[in-house]
Amino acid sequence: NAGVTQTPKFRVLKTGQSMTLLCAQDMNHEYMYWYRQDPGMGLRLIHYSVGEGTTAKGEVPDGYNVSRLKKQNFLLGLESAAPSQTSVYFCASSDQTGGTDTQYFGPGTRLTVL
Amino acid sequence: GENVEQHPSTLSVQEGDSAVIKCTYSDSASNYFPWYKQELGKRPQLIIDIRSNVGEKKDQRIAVTLNKTAKHFSLHITETQPEDSAVYFCAAGRYSSASKIIFGSGTRLSIRP
Repeated sequence: NAGVTQTPKFRVLKTGQSMTLLCAQDMNHEYMYWYRQDPGMGLRLIHYSVGEGTTAKGEVPDGYNVSRLKKQNFLLGLESAAPSQTSVYFCASSDQTGGTDTQYFGPGTRLTVL
Repeated sequence: GENVEQHPSTLSVQEGDSAVIKCTYSDSASNYFPWYKQELGKRPQLIIDIRSNVGEKKDQRIAVTLNKTAKHFSLHITETQPEDSAVYFCAAGRYSSASKIIFGSGTRLSIRP
């Protein structure tokens, strides 16, 4: 049981390049989330999904797209990277059944945009 | 929009002493208040949470209190130990509403030996 995993762990991009971050969970959770973490700003929600085939915007969605084609995977895409997107990206999943709303986080992806 | 304010941003306490971190929230409909701990270079992990139908919850050395009228909640860590050194995040949201969980900006807690 690996929990939540993220690929890659580190990435350096040039301005204008594109990339996709992959999040996978093996806990059969319905909800999945993408956050970015910047110094002194906590965790800010980018996009989230409440089930396979559904996605919705969070607090800071501009410049990002997501897809949830399979229940266990949640992809975050940057079509044209900008230096302002330099951050640590965390994926999380949760299961609202059983009276708990705990979010389980992945190990993070450190992205630098030059 | 809704926001969560967290204080202090940094906190240093002597090993064995208590630490208190405070948060206030703006959305009066919030009914779920989790606290996450993030060790250096690691992922955030839930340490305790509280629902709005209770005023206090305790788990060994950590406790959380909630004042819904004043819209603030606090994390209390007693008998602090070196392994308590980390960044702590509070959050407030509506239970089972993924888009409505807002995180505070974090408190870096350091335990002095």
